[in-house]
Amino acid sequence: AQSVTQLGSHVSVSEGALVLLRCNYSSSVPPYLFWYVQYPNQGLQLLLKYTSAATLVKGINGFEAEFKKSETSFHLTKPSAHMRDAAEYFCAVSDPNQGGKLIFGQGTELSVKP
Amino acid sequence: DAGVTQSPTHLIKTRGQQVTLRCSPKSGHDTVSWYQQALGQGPQFIFQYYEEEERQRGNFPDRFSGHQFPNYSSELNVNALLLGDSALYLCASSLAVGAREQYFGPGTRLTVT
Repeated sequence: AQSVTQLGSHVSVSEGALVLLRCNYSSSVPPYLFWYVQYPNQGLQLLLKYTSAATLVKGINGFEAEFKKSETSFHLTKPSAHMRDAAEYFCAVSDPNQGGKLIFGQGTELSVKP
Repeated sequence: DAGVTQSPTHLIKTRGQQVTLRCSPKSGHDTVSWYQQALGQGPQFIFQYYEEEERQRGNFPDRFSGHQFPNYSSELNVNALLLGDSALYLCASSLAVGAREQYFGPGTRLTVT
C-alpha cells in the first residue's frame, strides 16, 4: 500500500524567504510523485511531477522538488516566497501499475507574511 | 481549450436524499476520476471510469456510484446522504488509465443538513 506524510500542517514564512514543504512517501514500487496547490474555494493545480526521469524536478511559479529514494522524500522548495504563494499544498503518490489513482497527504497550509 | 468542468458549483441537500454531480473532462481526455475532499483533509479517491466502466474503486460504500457516458463525461451519484458526506467533490480527467498527469476541475461543494 502507498501512503504520504506531510510534515507540518501549517508553515509560515516571510516574503522573500525560502519555502520548504516536506513530504515523505511509502511505496512498494517505484512511484510517481506530485505536488498540487489549492487556492481557497478552488480545485487542485499541478505544480510539478516526478515520473522516474530527472530526480530534480522544476515546476511552475518557481517551485522545484527533489526525489530522494534513500530518504523516501519529495520535498517542495522555492527560493523566495511571494504573497501569492499563500495556499494549501498537497503531496501525492501513485503507483504506475495501478491506473493512476492518487493518494494524497493531509496538506500543508502556507502563509506568507509581508 | 476547455479544462475540466463540474456542475453544480454548490448544493445543499438533506440527510437521506440523493444527489448527482456532473463532470466534463478536458478536451481529448477519456478517463475520469472522482475524489472526495472533506474540510481540512486531502482528497480521497472514490473511483475511476474508463470506456464507460468503473476501473478502480477506493474505500467508499456502495451508496457512491457513478457513470461514464460515450462522450466521456461522468456523473457521481450518492444515495441516502449522511452528514459526513458533506465535502468538496473533485473530478479529475486524464488521457488513458495510468496517465502521468491528471487535471482537476474546480469541484462541487456539497453540504448535507
